[in-house]
Amino acid sequence: AQKVTQAQTEISVVEKEDVTLDCVYETRDTTYYLFWYKQPPSGELVFLIRRNSFDEQNEISGRYSWNFQKSTSSFNFTITASQVVDSAVYFCALSEAMGGSGNTGKLIFGQGTTLQVKP
Amino acid sequence: EAQVTQNPRYLITVTGKKLTVTCSQNMNHEYMSWYRQDPGLGLRQIYYSMNVEVTDKGDVPEGYKVSRKEKRNFPLILESPSPNQTSLYFCASSLGQGYPDTQYFGPGTRLTVL
Repeated sequence: AQKVTQAQTEISVVEKEDVTLDCVYETRDTTYYLFWYKQPPSGELVFLIRRNSFDEQNEISGRYSWNFQKSTSSFNFTITASQVVDSAVYFCALSEAMGGSGNTGKLIFGQGTTLQVKP
Repeated sequence: EAQVTQNPRYLITVTGKKLTVTCSQNMNHEYMSWYRQDPGLGLRQIYYSMNVEVTDKGDVPEGYKVSRKEKRNFPLILESPSPNQTSLYFCASSLGQGYPDTQYFGPGTRLTVL
């Protein structure tokens, strides 16, 4: 079965600290996509990044970076020099392929990690 | 601006009173989906639609209906709401076309059923 595990329920850091959010996934598909979404206190879900299963290149976007390792089925997210505005719930998600038998295209979400950045 | 919109954003209703939550996207996306978010249960898919007139059940479809008569709209209908449908609802859309693609979410609808 497909599953996403975010073992860290809550993380609290002080501003300017670096923080890594862990994500471990399970899937039998050879083609899949991984995502990170941010849910700020206002409640909306904001897309951060997408990675496909064939692209293990790490990515950096400003203070954000992502480390995808197929060997350990992990897709970890690091925020460098955290800021108070980074306080949110962060979700890792796995997407099924669409169109195949039984595949719904749905996102399978982890339980989320609540990040609190204190000033 | 490319976006997914939902209305209403907040709704308090009573058991049994039919309601519709609208969802509209302006990105010409083929795939649309509804999720609900509940504490301890996370985000779960209710219904999805691969394209116009094509809809199917997700993981938790009981008590809900959907329709996809136009590409841009995907309303969620609760014919007889019950308190266990109190939740935060999200509509999402993506290009679809047979491959996993980024799903963009609406702002959410917070529903309370008394």
